[in-house]
Amino acid sequence: DSGVTQTPKHLITATGQRVTLRCSPRSGDLSVYWYQQSLDQGLQFLIQYYNGEERAKGNILERFSAQQFPDLHSELNLSSLELGDSALYFCASSVDGGGNQPQHFGDGTRLSIL
Amino acid sequence: GQNIDQPTEMTATEGAIVQINCTYQTSGFNGLFWYQQHAGEAPTFLSYNVLDGLEEKGRFSSFLSRSKGYSYLLLKELQMKDSASYLCAVHNQGGKLIFGQGTELSVKP
Repeated sequence: DSGVTQTPKHLITATGQRVTLRCSPRSGDLSVYWYQQSLDQGLQFLIQYYNGEERAKGNILERFSAQQFPDLHSELNLSSLELGDSALYFCASSVDGGGNQPQHFGDGTRLSIL
Repeated sequence: GQNIDQPTEMTATEGAIVQINCTYQTSGFNGLFWYQQHAGEAPTFLSYNVLDGLEEKGRFSSFLSRSKGYSYLLLKELQMKDSASYLCAVHNQGGKLIFGQGTELSVKP
């Protein structure tokens, strides 16, 4: 158990819809990261937050947005969903945002778009 | 650009030793991580290298050569449970962790 909690575990929805994925980091971790993993793309970094502020941005689509709240939990919002958004979405956390500490991953949310 | 190369798949025998290579070309370098990921599960941290040389941790060791843009993960005394995908990831100058596509290791009896 990494200590990172993601909900829901599974999500099935239709094209054009909007969903929110939630992540609670490990106790004491200030930084949260979001990744997308699909079969043909591997793990793709989306965005990082540190203590409530956006720290780094990857290849995150404009239809996607995220935020980190004062209690350090984070949400990833995906809107105008397309079939290609079907993937496993992971949240990870680390003690700081400097990058020399390992990231600990949650179990992921499997998103299926029908 | 960012490029991390690993073999797509490898097969080894239970009890043997296997070496998984990773070469990288990234914008800056602040460290290299190895993660293990079983199918459908979360990646779990294995090792971290920031200086050249070998880091040993039980049955797993990881080596880094920054001048060559090269790392390897060495797994000894292979067990069936070591069948998994092994991900090489580089922390680049922009503060991002860039993952390779992963190496799918199959351990056979």
